[in-house]
Amino acid sequence: TQLLEQSPQFLSIQEGENLTVYCNSSSVFSSLQWYRQEPGEGPVLLVTVVTGGEVKKLKRLTFQFGDARKDSSLHITAAQTGDTGLYLCADQSDYKLSFGAGTTVTVRA
Amino acid sequence: NAGVTQTPKFRILKIGQSMTLQCAQDMNHNYMYWYRQDPGMGLKLIYYSVGAGITDKGEVPNGYNVSRSTTEDFPLRLELAAPSQTSVYFCASRGGYGYTFGSGTRLTVV
Repeated sequence: TQLLEQSPQFLSIQEGENLTVYCNSSSVFSSLQWYRQEPGEGPVLLVTVVTGGEVKKLKRLTFQFGDARKDSSLHITAAQTGDTGLYLCADQSDYKLSFGAGTTVTVRA
Repeated sequence: NAGVTQTPKFRILKIGQSMTLQCAQDMNHNYMYWYRQDPGMGLKLIYYSVGAGITDKGEVPNGYNVSRSTTEDFPLRLELAAPSQTSVYFCASRGGYGYTFGSGTRLTVV
């Protein structure tokens, strides 16, 4: 059974600072997805990465996928209060998603 | 707006009661899913369906049942509610690589 570990569990920063959250798998990802979930809502897909070494950018968010396809990071530059939420990584395999426990990010004004 | 609609948003059940959580999507997606989310535990897959008439168990199916008579609807049934089923339940559908989640049903069993 694949285990997805996300770190840190909680992160609180001041607006304007940078942050990085991590996702590590006990086995190779089939394809990795990152989601953001706001309180009272369902997760919303941010990005899908498939190729080892891949880097994708989404405005101030940068996603990196490790060469061995067992780890990934999400970096946010100049965080804003709107970035507050639960960040989840998930492996899509056999048409199903397996999630990590998530990192709760709080950006203080 | 196109998407996944879940009802109800909140529900309190007494131990032993039954209820059905409703889920509907209007994107003509074949794949649909039910997840539960507990604090600090991420989302766990309960059941999924690859099309009308086809369902299969996920990681945590005990205590739940599903049916899929149409492409649009995928209800989740709790027959004998237990305190361990207190959770937030999310329905999702899949089109291509992208998954769309509903806004959830918060269920408390007392």
